[in-house]
Amino acid sequence: EDQVTQSPEALRLQEGESSSLNCSYTVSGLRGLFWYRQDPGKGPEFLFTLYSAGEEKEKERLKATLTKKESFLHITAPKPEDSATYLCAVQAGTDKLIFGTGTRLQVFP
Amino acid sequence: ETGVTQTPRHLVMGMTNKKSLKCEQHLGHNAMYWYKQSAKKPLELMFVYNFKEQTENNSVPSRFSPECPNSSHLFLHLHTLQPEDSALYLCASSQDWQGPNEKLFFGSGTQLSVL
Repeated sequence: EDQVTQSPEALRLQEGESSSLNCSYTVSGLRGLFWYRQDPGKGPEFLFTLYSAGEEKEKERLKATLTKKESFLHITAPKPEDSATYLCAVQAGTDKLIFGTGTRLQVFP
Repeated sequence: ETGVTQTPRHLVMGMTNKKSLKCEQHLGHNAMYWYKQSAKKPLELMFVYNFKEQTENNSVPSRFSPECPNSSHLFLHLHTLQPEDSALYLCASSQDWQGPNEKLFFGSGTQLSVL
């Protein structure tokens, strides 16, 4: 069964304290892995798409990486405005998009 | 306006009420989606419309009835809901229907409470 698991469920960081969020997946025929950011009271906002193992993408303080079993979202020197829930989604060979339950990140000044 | 707009933002309804959620996208996309987001659960795909035609119905109970009059507008008609239907309902659009390059653009959602 296709599955996406995100960890940790919640993460509290001090401003400037770098860390990583994990998205592990078991799907048949990965077509793409997506990262979204969701602020309270808003819908998810697209961040990155990764297609193959070894691929990396960066945007400001965020860097997403992909292996054959998992993806990491690295946050370097986070700021309070990075506080949000980060969602991972995987597109399998069936074209269905499978979401994880998200990691709620809080960055304190 | 730009992006994906959903109304209302909040909705409280009784189990015998009938209400509708509205979604409009100003991005020129061909595909529109309804998702349900419940606390501590993954987003659940409910319906997909591609070029106004329904291409996906994810075993959603008949008390949820979608309508897509054109590629820019999407409705979700609600009737005789249950308290467990309380959730955030998100509308999304994409250029085409979930191809490998498709990213979704979401609205802000309707927070629904069923009493």
